[in-house]
Amino acid sequence: SAVISQKPSRDICQRGTSLTIQCQVDSQVTMMFWYRQQPGQSLTLIATANQGSEATYESGFVIDKFPISRPNLTFSTLTVSNMSPEDSSIYLCSVEIGQGSDYGYTFGSGTRLTVV
Amino acid sequence: DAKTTQPPSMDCAEGRAANLPCNHSTISGNEYVYWYRQIHSQGPQYIIHGLKNNETNEMASLIITEDRKSSTLILPHATLRDTAVYYCLVNDYKLSFGAGTTVTVRA
Repeated sequence: SAVISQKPSRDICQRGTSLTIQCQVDSQVTMMFWYRQQPGQSLTLIATANQGSEATYESGFVIDKFPISRPNLTFSTLTVSNMSPEDSSIYLCSVEIGQGSDYGYTFGSGTRLTVV
Repeated sequence: DAKTTQPPSMDCAEGRAANLPCNHSTISGNEYVYWYRQIHSQGPQYIIHGLKNNETNEMASLIITEDRKSSTLILPHATLRDTAVYYCLVNDYKLSFGAGTTVTVRA
């Protein structure tokens, strides 16, 4: 299975600023996913990022607010732009692993963001 | 939108089996059922998955009904460290999380 390193693990940011979260995988993967988990809530998929193409955003999420880069098969970044306190959440990246009956997903440990 | 429904919470006694139900009545023939858990807002941890046969690993057992419209995750001997939110998901090329079941294991 793949091992994900996500940075930073936590941050406190001022409103109006931007934060870029990095997701590094120890093996090449086709699809990477970014999730948001608001306090006390379940995970919500933000977007799917494939290498060499634009990210696909879920309803309610836009590229201007959450730009994503996917420069190669082992790395992706998510930027939370022009932050407000409502953006305080845990942000997680996930990758697909395996094939066929062993296909699944693994998750990073998350970035806990607090906007003040 | 999540394609599964789970009870919001359940308690379990330490050392006893915990049976977590999940309904996925709209599941398609080639979609797998996955179970993950999340402890203290860490990243979700994979538990087990299956298509139509029952599955068992070192963490749990997964029982899928013959019509595949529901499944049960079994933690055979629950410990206090199994206290977590458990998510049942159906894979349609991306994982959509529902609210999950908050499992509290009590001594």
